[in-house]
Amino acid sequence: RKEVEQDPGPFNVPEGATVAFNCTYSNSASQSFFWYRQDCRKEPKLLMSVYSSGNEDGRFTAQLNRASQYISLLIRDSKLSDSATYLCVVPRAGNTPLVFGKGTRLSVIA
Amino acid sequence: NAGVTQTPKFQVLKTGQSMTLQCAQDMNHEYMSWYRQDPGMGLRLIHYSVGAGITDQGEVPNGYNVSRSTTEDFPLRLLSAAPSQTSVYFCAIQAGAGAETQYFGPGTRLLVL
Repeated sequence: RKEVEQDPGPFNVPEGATVAFNCTYSNSASQSFFWYRQDCRKEPKLLMSVYSSGNEDGRFTAQLNRASQYISLLIRDSKLSDSATYLCVVPRAGNTPLVFGKGTRLSVIA
Repeated sequence: NAGVTQTPKFQVLKTGQSMTLQCAQDMNHEYMSWYRQDPGMGLRLIHYSVGAGITDQGEVPNGYNVSRSTTEDFPLRLLSAAPSQTSVYFCAIQAGAGAETQYFGPGTRLLVL
């Protein structure tokens, strides 16, 4: 299993739809996980952190399944402004930077 | 951009030329990293530093050099540019292993002809 693996998409959904992305990871010792958002031609920015079973922030919900080693991101009531690439991020062991998945591209269509 | 600046924003080089991509931060974070991002490849770590005077290689270090003489600056040097180094380069800072979140600079777009 790769360190971090995501479905690249694209996911094309209508406004108002609910969409979910999954991300699998290989390091069973990982304790924290992150979702970053990256807009076209911009830098990645932190969207949500997941430290236990899950986290919710408005329309966004991140969940962690340790047994199956995946995290998910659920977006409810999709907006046009949600169109972006969503990166799954998992820390490596030791003093090393984060490892990023290749990202899942979302397009919300009017 | 959370106190991370990168220069230049865009650069065109000829094969064999050298250049330095600059990254500076004003947040006094220990960790600094360089990533490159190519279509379909995601973010790949080039080099990183856990503090002044300490650097280490990431997954794609060949063709790049770094140094970290101060906490604030972490330049990335291309000694002899190749077309395969055409990419978008992002510098990132991180408060430390415990912080576990990174802030990115706006990126440098490099085209090597």
